[in-house]
Amino acid sequence: EPEVTQTPSHQVTQMGQEVILRCVPISNHLYFYWYRQILGQKVEFLVSFYNNEISEKSEIFDDQFSVERPDGSNFTLKIRSTKLEDSAMYFCASTLFSYEQYFGPGTRLTVT
Amino acid sequence: AQSVTQLGSHVSVSEGALVLLRCNYSSSVPPYLFWYVQYPNQGLQLLLKYTTGATLVKGINGFEAEFKKSETSFHLTKPSAHMSDAAEYFCAVIHTGTASKLTFGTGTRLQVTL
Repeated sequence: EPEVTQTPSHQVTQMGQEVILRCVPISNHLYFYWYRQILGQKVEFLVSFYNNEISEKSEIFDDQFSVERPDGSNFTLKIRSTKLEDSAMYFCASTLFSYEQYFGPGTRLTVT
Repeated sequence: AQSVTQLGSHVSVSEGALVLLRCNYSSSVPPYLFWYVQYPNQGLQLLLKYTTGATLVKGINGFEAEFKKSETSFHLTKPSAHMSDAAEYFCAVIHTGTASKLTFGTGTRLQVTL
């Protein structure tokens, strides 16, 4: 069964460093998403991406964040200058239609 | 704006007992509704969804949920809990006609005891 994959599973970085979180969505899916879950809190929407452009972003998704689908298979989330409060689990999701999203296993980002 | 409320951050049931996890939503138009399950150190897995049609929907692992528009609820049930059901459960909504971001509730951690 096709699945969404994410790498790395755990990333530790120092404050101020750039990180890139990678996702490989299900191959025929058209809509892509990033969500995050701070420890002990609910899952929050960051950004949605369709037809090679951002379709919606939350207030969390400020200028420090960017997304890219560089090669038709990968979908990346970049944080330019990480802050302590960026520590969270980041989930990628994809869907063929605009609902029933399939989630990856997540990348745990720890900023020290 | 839409929101999701899950009553009870922790629910504990005995193995074999009924599981009832509550979810209420707030939306100006009928949304699509979902339940996701998160096992420890894993991602989110779709349990079931309601879009249109029959208001009682069945999902994986014996779970089901009923959409009640008059009560703006989408409670999750399972007749008989199993130890393997212990996990975090999230109710979520999508506002139809938008870019389809999921709005999640705060989650309910289900504990199953012997």
